[in-house]
Amino acid sequence: GENVEQHPSTLSVQEGDSAVIKCTYSDSASNYFPWYKQELGKGPQLIIDIRSNVGEKKDQRIAVTLNKTAKHFSLHITETQPEDSAVYFCALPGNSGYALNFGKGTSLLVTP
Amino acid sequence: SAVISQKPSRDICQRGTSLTIQCQVDSQVTMMFWYRQQPGQSLTLIATANQGSEATYESGFVIDKFPISRPNLTFSTLTVSNMSPEDSSIYLCSVAEQGAGALHFGNGTRLTVT
Repeated sequence: GENVEQHPSTLSVQEGDSAVIKCTYSDSASNYFPWYKQELGKGPQLIIDIRSNVGEKKDQRIAVTLNKTAKHFSLHITETQPEDSAVYFCALPGNSGYALNFGKGTSLLVTP
Repeated sequence: SAVISQKPSRDICQRGTSLTIQCQVDSQVTMMFWYRQQPGQSLTLIATANQGSEATYESGFVIDKFPISRPNLTFSTLTVSNMSPEDSSIYLCSVAEQGAGALHFGNGTRLTVT
């Protein structure tokens, strides 16, 4: 399936600052780009996704941008809060088109 | 979105034994998957649970070690057989809602093998 590279692996920001996490991929046929948040002791939760026919999608303080030419997509969190502290994963559809292949994750820490 | 319940939520098992994990969904879903998440790592797909037929396993995972059942569109089980400490992981059930593209996850089963 499609491999996805995710950076950075850890990110520490102060409350109120912005956080950006980036994922790059190689298969130009990829057309669905989700982001998941995993809090301690819980399963991953879909927080935002985008399809290849748009370049940006926003939902309150979070946004996802897609650059199909450069083959990367990014998660943007503005006005970060301590409750944003979690591990974030990007993902891409695998060979079957239904299951997802996940990036290695970014551990985000928001300090008050 | 679908609500996914997994049982048990955690367990500590002895080497050589087997554990069966249950996944119950509150609505009928076409696609169900089992993932493994080793400590501090990302998620790795084990297999697709196919309703009424044998599961489809990913490279590195075999039916003898991880038998899966899916008797209907709302329920599946994953068994971790002949466990060793290397099987200590979080095992996650996931479903795809038809046409949506997104996967939804249960809270996982945290397995420790001693």
